[in-house]
Amino acid sequence: SQQGEEDPQALSIQEGENATMNCSYKTSINNLQWYRQNSGRGLVHLILIRSNEREKHSGRLRVTLDTSKKSSSLLITASRAADTASYFCANSGGSNYKLTFGKGTLLTVNP
Amino acid sequence: NAGVTQTPKFQVLKTGQSMTLQCAQDMNHEYMSWYRQDPGMGLRLIHYSVGAGITDQGEVPNGYNVSRSTTEDFPLRLLSAAPSQTSVYFCASRPAGLYNEQFFGPGTRLTVL
Repeated sequence: SQQGEEDPQALSIQEGENATMNCSYKTSINNLQWYRQNSGRGLVHLILIRSNEREKHSGRLRVTLDTSKKSSSLLITASRAADTASYFCANSGGSNYKLTFGKGTLLTVNP
Repeated sequence: NAGVTQTPKFQVLKTGQSMTLQCAQDMNHEYMSWYRQDPGMGLRLIHYSVGAGITDQGEVPNGYNVSRSTTEDFPLRLLSAAPSQTSVYFCASRPAGLYNEQFFGPGTRLTVL
């Protein structure tokens, strides 16, 4: 399986704190993407980082990529209760066509 | 644009029954995929398509068939439903190319008794 792994599986924090989630993958990649899933809903794209990039920002999101360690991290700053969701990383696994998803991190932000 | 639509939203089948999960997108995306999501397993790729008439297997294709006769539609067929196919099924689409985000449908929750 080319499925990646998110770490931790679950994370509970207080509103205003930062949340960091990590993702490891197994094969070479063209890009790595992060998605969010609210309970009972489909996934929504958050951010994409290319294999030749090391860091990318979008609003309160910061993504890093370390291709030598085959790992990525997603940082959500100043978290809000509305950030409560599952977060998934997805990688192309060297394919031009497929996206392979990890098992996700369940983030709970307590008001 | 409606984006990616899936029908039905919920379905209950008996073991051995067959059915088709419908997926359509109105964004003219070349790539379409089917995933299943099970607790603790994340999303696993069932089948995918890179254009009309072209499909390929993903990670867990057994028990499922797909076809892509048009750019818009990508139905998933369960040939003989089994309890192990109880899951939430997501259809997704994205434009061709390496650096494009994927758009997901709302999902179909399937229970096989």
